[in-house]
Amino acid sequence: AQSVTQLDSQVPVFEEAPVELRCNYSSSVSVYLFWYVQYPNQGLQLLLKYLSGSTLVKGINGFEAEFNKSQTSFHLRKPSVHISDTAEYFCAVVRGSQGNLIFGKGTKLSVKP
Amino acid sequence: SQTIHQWPATLVQPVGSPLSLECTVEGTSNPNLYWYRQAAGRGLQLLFYSVGIGQISSEVPQNLSASRPQDRQFILSSKKLLLSDSGFYLCAWSGGPRTFSANTEAFFGQGTRLTVV
Repeated sequence: AQSVTQLDSQVPVFEEAPVELRCNYSSSVSVYLFWYVQYPNQGLQLLLKYLSGSTLVKGINGFEAEFNKSQTSFHLRKPSVHISDTAEYFCAVVRGSQGNLIFGKGTKLSVKP
Repeated sequence: SQTIHQWPATLVQPVGSPLSLECTVEGTSNPNLYWYRQAAGRGLQLLFYSVGIGQISSEVPQNLSASRPQDRQFILSSKKLLLSDSGFYLCAWSGGPRTFSANTEAFFGQGTRLTVV
């Protein structure tokens, strides 16, 4: 079964500092990987997705992620964060023939001034 | 454009009472529909998904049930709520004729925060 592991439950960082949110997946088949962001008391919004092709994927709000097949990772990065990036971030993988999204447990990013 | 509506936004219910959460999608036809539950520190858990009217698949055994009486309507229900049913419930839809297409994203409602007291 496919699964997603987000290694950090909380990441505090100062404004304008770089950040990396880690995600590892397990799968015996080709995967499609996603990062979603959830602002407080709201639904989820797609940040970026990897389907195929270039392993470096750029998303909205200046975020990017790199697919690393050998390390089975899909870490999310941003070179300089803003206060407004404070949110919870979810890594997800499409599972099986039904293609249902399976989410990690989330990482709460807290950006401090 | 497509939109997804989920209500109510918040709900406080006593233990043993029934539950009905509703989700509707506009601007698309034959969507795949999903119910997720988000509990503190546990991420998003897929509860149910549906690829068509009357077709419901359950991911985990639980106290909840789902129904899809119309193409763009998805309802989450319970006959008797438990304390453990508290959480943030999210409805989502995705495109694709029969299965989730990796070339499309999932669109989420604003969620319902359910507190069982």
